[in-house]
Amino acid sequence: KAGVTQTPRYLIKTRGQQVTLSCSPISGHRSVSWYQQTPGQGLQFLFEYFSETQRNKGNFPGRFSGRQFSNSRSEMNVSTLELGDSALYLCASSRRTADTQYFGPGTRLTVL
Amino acid sequence: AQSVAQPEDQVNVAEGNPLTVKCTYSVSGNPYLFWYVQYPNRGLQFLLKYITGDNLVKGSYGFEAEFNKSQTSFHLKKPSALVSDSALYFCAVRDDGGATNKLIFGTGTLLAVQP
Repeated sequence: KAGVTQTPRYLIKTRGQQVTLSCSPISGHRSVSWYQQTPGQGLQFLFEYFSETQRNKGNFPGRFSGRQFSNSRSEMNVSTLELGDSALYLCASSRRTADTQYFGPGTRLTVL
Repeated sequence: AQSVAQPEDQVNVAEGNPLTVKCTYSVSGNPYLFWYVQYPNRGLQFLLKYITGDNLVKGSYGFEAEFNKSQTSFHLKKPSALVSDSALYFCAVRDDGGATNKLIFGTGTLLAVQP
């Protein structure tokens, strides 16, 4: 069974731009969560989606948004990029809420 | 609020020796605890979890973890370390006692296994 896939794997943007990251969960998994990983703040929860509904949201500004489609694929969007948004963005999927989460390889975003 | 702490930034061990990576937790209610490993430029790989039941949890790649309620600890262990075990290890707790997928991670422990 294929794992969680994330595209693109690497991305370079400039301040003020916006970016969209994509995540395809493991087949049969309906829950998708997003995390941001930085050297300074570590791993921080962004959002959680299940059946196209946002179930939970972390403590991030409104520039960070996400959505989930009917096929469980998910996207997250960051508008008006700041230098501090440079991070590894990880997507995780599980069959349902409260199941074990399996992570994708991440998207490395660099903001210049 | 739920939290986990990993008191060691780095653990060094010789190949073939047993290894322990420490984690302590603070939760209200039942703990749902996890260990993940991250290799360079990779995502997180699931190793094992404790939900309920036996205090000794066996996981992937020969790893196991011991849940200790009185000491609020969930230490990761392996009887014989391999050089290929060198990686960044994260302990995590599920927030809200299991009603959500939100994981709260520790700061990570870098395991270095010397040949």
